[in-house]
Amino acid sequence: AQTVTQSQPEMSVQEAETVTLSCTYDTSESDYYLFWYKQPPSRQMILVIRQEAYKQQNATENRFSVNFQKAAKSFSLKISDSQLGDAAMYFCAYRSAGATNKLIFGTGTLLAVQP
Amino acid sequence: DTGVSQNPRHKITKRGQNVTFRCDPISEHNRLYWYRQTLGQGPEFLTYFQNEAQLEKSRLLSDRFSAERPKGSFSTLEIQRTEQGDSAMYLCASSLSLGGETQYFGPGTRLLVL
Repeated sequence: AQTVTQSQPEMSVQEAETVTLSCTYDTSESDYYLFWYKQPPSRQMILVIRQEAYKQQNATENRFSVNFQKAAKSFSLKISDSQLGDAAMYFCAYRSAGATNKLIFGTGTLLAVQP
Repeated sequence: DTGVSQNPRHKITKRGQNVTFRCDPISEHNRLYWYRQTLGQGPEFLTYFQNEAQLEKSRLLSDRFSAERPKGSFSTLEIQRTEQGDSAMYLCASSLSLGGETQYFGPGTRLLVL
């Protein structure tokens, strides 16, 4: 069975600085998708960025980028120029490209942004 | 463009009572998912529908849980004979049926069983 591990329960970053959140996963599949979701306090979960495993190029969305290392099964999220609004719980998630459509989530990293 | 909506947002019930939650997906989305999130954990998959067909159920979905999507639009999740361990946030998500499609989440229903 696939698993997702986020080893940093909490992280803190100064406003305007850069922070990297770690995620590792375990799978025997070769084709899959990886996601980072953001869940602000008492607000709904929103997609930050996604990566297709067959793509070698790392995904980028404005200030958010990933470092996808397929062989190492690592999928870290880099947030550049951190803003106060980036404070939230961040979840890494895995989805098989096969028959199942479920997302498998890690336990999350709580990011605090210091002014 | 309205997102995924869930009602109620909060529910407090006594142990042994039945509760029902509703999810309205994004209108053109034919896939609908239910997840459960307990404090300090990531969401865990419960079940998913493609149109009105329930295609996958987690072992977490005990006999006391039932989900329906009768017309392929909104969905309901019912918990019978609630237990304190059912206290959690119940999240609904929807998506299109494309490869690797993104799931869009609703705000959740927070259930507290006393």
